[in-house]
Amino acid sequence: AQKVTQAQTEISVVEKEDVTLDCVYETRDTTYYLFWYKQPPSGELVFLIRRNSFDEQNEISGRYSWNFQKSTSSFNFTITASQVVDSAVYFCALSDQGAQKLVFGQGTRLTINP
Amino acid sequence: NAGVMQNPRHLVRRRGQEARLRCSPMKGHSHVYWYRQLPEEGLKFMVYLQKENIIDESGMPKERFSAEFPKEGPSILRIQQVVRGDSAAYFCASESGTSANTGELFFGEGSRLTVL
Repeated sequence: AQKVTQAQTEISVVEKEDVTLDCVYETRDTTYYLFWYKQPPSGELVFLIRRNSFDEQNEISGRYSWNFQKSTSSFNFTITASQVVDSAVYFCALSDQGAQKLVFGQGTRLTINP
Repeated sequence: NAGVMQNPRHLVRRRGQEARLRCSPMKGHSHVYWYRQLPEEGLKFMVYLQKENIIDESGMPKERFSAEFPKEGPSILRIQQVVRGDSAAYFCASESGTSANTGELFFGEGSRLTVL
């Protein structure tokens, strides 16, 4: 069975600090996809990134970066120089090939304090 | 996620009433998914539909819940005889169907059901 674990329930940092959100996943599939979504206080889900299991290159998008390590089944997300607008709940998710349904982690509530 | 329209955004029902949640997928998308988010939890898959077909309803409670995606019109998630435990945010997501196996879903803003 597939499973996504986000061990950090809540994180609170001061603005401009770097923060890393952890995501560990379990799957028996050799082909799968990993995602991060942001859920701001307004409630909608904002897609951040999709990564397939064959691409272990780290990715950087502005202040966001992702570290995918198959050896540890982790797909961690780092925000550099955090801002108050980054405050949200962040979800990591997993889907296997041939199925579109996502398995979500419990989410990490990130609070950036001014 | 622009383009997936859900309504109502907020719905209040008393126990025993029916709730109907509607989802219009992005233009050109023929695959619709419904997810439920209980308070302080992650999203859980409920059902996957294509036009006029239920493909996977493994996450749907066996009783009181039903979903459809007719040839014309929005997808409907229907909850009969609601109970307090049905209070949650219900998210719809769509994909084109041509991006199969990628799981690139576009989510709506959710419908928040409160059962009194």
